[in-house]
Amino acid sequence: DTAVSQTPKYLVTQMGNDKSIKCEQNLGHDTMYWYKQDSKKFLKIMFSYNNKELIINETVPNRFSPKSPDKAHLNLHINSLELGDSAVYFCASSLKGGTSGSEQYFGPGTRLTVT
Amino acid sequence: DAKTTQPPSMDCAEGRAANLPCNHSTISGNEYVYWYRQIHSQGPQYIIHGLKNNETNEMASLIITEDRKSSTLILPHATLRDTAVYYCIVRVAGGFKTIFGAGTRLFVKA
Repeated sequence: DTAVSQTPKYLVTQMGNDKSIKCEQNLGHDTMYWYKQDSKKFLKIMFSYNNKELIINETVPNRFSPKSPDKAHLNLHINSLELGDSAVYFCASSLKGGTSGSEQYFGPGTRLTVT
Repeated sequence: DAKTTQPPSMDCAEGRAANLPCNHSTISGNEYVYWYRQIHSQGPQYIIHGLKNNETNEMASLIITEDRKSSTLILPHATLRDTAVYYCIVRVAGGFKTIFGAGTRLFVKA
């Protein structure tokens, strides 16, 4: 069974469109994250949710809106897509985000291309 | 900004030990050292973490200096599949934020 899954794996869309990326984890973890990896390969945290509550919002434009319907899911909705949003987006989860020693498990990534 | 410094790239011969260094001179007493790796464009994979003591698991060993200002990740018998970018991260206890630096690109050569 896949621990952290994301859909879709690839997403190609035009500027101005709205799109969503879904993430699910079956590890029973309390905390979930979204990361963005741009063309320069730097991996940057975007959001962190703990027990469905937003903990971290790393100065991400408000066009990005995460939604956590339950502890096992963290979806990312992006409005009015821009060229600069093209990147690979990774979802991750950890057992206890606020406790030392909790490693993160990452999904396979969603490659978003905005044309 | 990342609180760690790593060499941008390293080479290792297949079957030999790969020793990846990391400097974290400003580490706080409650911060752990984590290592992850990213193979090609897959999602990062957790390897190992530690606070003060050396740690070993089925993937690697982590050696942390006594002053905790640096550490070394050791892959005892590197294989071609270990070619990846290796990230050394320090993480605050009780925090939810993980900051990835540029990492070290390890090339394992036959």
